[in-house]
Amino acid sequence: DTTVKQNPRYKLARVGKPVNLICSQTMNHDTMYWYQKKPNQAPKLLLFYYDKILNREADTFEKFQSSRPNNSFCSLYIGSAGLEYSAMYLCAAGTGDTQYFGPGTRLLVL
Amino acid sequence: SQWGEENLQALSIQEGEDVTMNCSYKTYTTVVHWYRQDSGRGPALIILIRSNEREKRSGRLRATLDTSSQSSSLSITAAQCEDTAVYFCATDASSSFSKLVFGQGTSLSVVP
Repeated sequence: DTTVKQNPRYKLARVGKPVNLICSQTMNHDTMYWYQKKPNQAPKLLLFYYDKILNREADTFEKFQSSRPNNSFCSLYIGSAGLEYSAMYLCAAGTGDTQYFGPGTRLLVL
Repeated sequence: SQWGEENLQALSIQEGEDVTMNCSYKTYTTVVHWYRQDSGRGPALIILIRSNEREKRSGRLRATLDTSSQSSSLSITAAQCEDTAVYFCATDASSSFSKLVFGQGTSLSVVP
């Protein structure tokens, strides 16, 4: 059984302030992903770690940072939050062609 | 975009009815994933169909894949209230690891 946990579940941030979201997984999957999901839209891939290698999508390259200090943990960092960052942030872990999602962190930027 | 015109659709059906949700995609994929997302939770994989399969069944779920028309469908037989969720299809063209591109999804409501 794969468990993906995300902390916090809800986050309130001020415009211009940094935001750090945390994800952990228990099954040692080699890849961890971060998606952004806005209401009535599909989840959108932001970046992923394949082992220790970070891959960021071209259109979000400058907006998000990430770190993976060990195989179980992965963070998503926003240096200066804007109103447009308000969304659900989904973390997933996977190996091969299967991904397992966490419950998400709902970020509201005011 | 990887996907055809597909905003979040909303479907409402009665318990016991059958329902089919469709997706079409624009570029090559090795596999189509179908996920469901319940309110307040992350997406959960419910069925996966590979490019060499035309049909896949899992309980009351049936997925089809037509690579010539680049389309996939998910059918639920005798829908139950607990099938109420948002259903997403996703393509995956990567070979060494999964890299999903999600379609817009269908919000399914099953009423008694």
